[in-house]
Amino acid sequence: DAKTTQPNSMESNEEEPVHLPCNHSTISGTDYIHWYRQLPSQGPEYVIHGLTSNVNNRMASLAIAEDRKSSTLILHRATLRDAAVYYCILRDGTNFGNEKLTFGTGTRLTIIP
Amino acid sequence: NAGVTQTPKFQVLKTGQSMTLQCAQDMNHEYMSWYRQDPGMGLRLIHYSVGAGITDQGEVPNGYNVSRSTTEDFPLRLLSAAPSQTSVYFCASRHPGRGTDTQYFGPGTRLTVL
Repeated sequence: DAKTTQPNSMESNEEEPVHLPCNHSTISGTDYIHWYRQLPSQGPEYVIHGLTSNVNNRMASLAIAEDRKSSTLILHRATLRDAAVYYCILRDGTNFGNEKLTFGTGTRLTIIP
Repeated sequence: NAGVTQTPKFQVLKTGQSMTLQCAQDMNHEYMSWYRQDPGMGLRLIHYSVGAGITDQGEVPNGYNVSRSTTEDFPLRLLSAAPSQTSVYFCASRHPGRGTDTQYFGPGTRLTVL
């Protein structure tokens, strides 16, 4: 599986936008970019995913670089409840049976009131 | 739907004891898996199952057994607990898919082995 690189930690002020970067320079053309987050003392939860085009949902937006070697998760207006570890993960779109999700150490996001 | 449920939430064992961590899902997902998360680390896959009667090893399977007799349940058995197995254990499930599927995680079981 291709690797991803994320900053260990980031801070943001409450009610401001947050841009969480992820580098995946070895991404293949069929890899989907997934983001999960893990709130304190909880299991990870799905946030968003995309392949080539930018994506929006009720939780966040995903901006994917034109060359797909990087992506950015955007929280438009961070709240204290967004404080979590955010994981950027690649999933092989050609492998129907690939079960393993490779979680790195992610980015720990701290929201400052 | 209750989603993915895990019991117990907390457990303390002595070295050498055995126990079973329970996991159930009510979403009729074919795929289920077990991960462990050590302090400050990401999740590591222990075992997974692609359907009833089918299981396979992940990256850290030693010391653990699994079975999948029904679609809903996927218990994880610790054969002889060791302090190195102190961790938080997460169960997860999903429908199969080509890269677009999303995984649902349980709340975790925090295990301490003394």
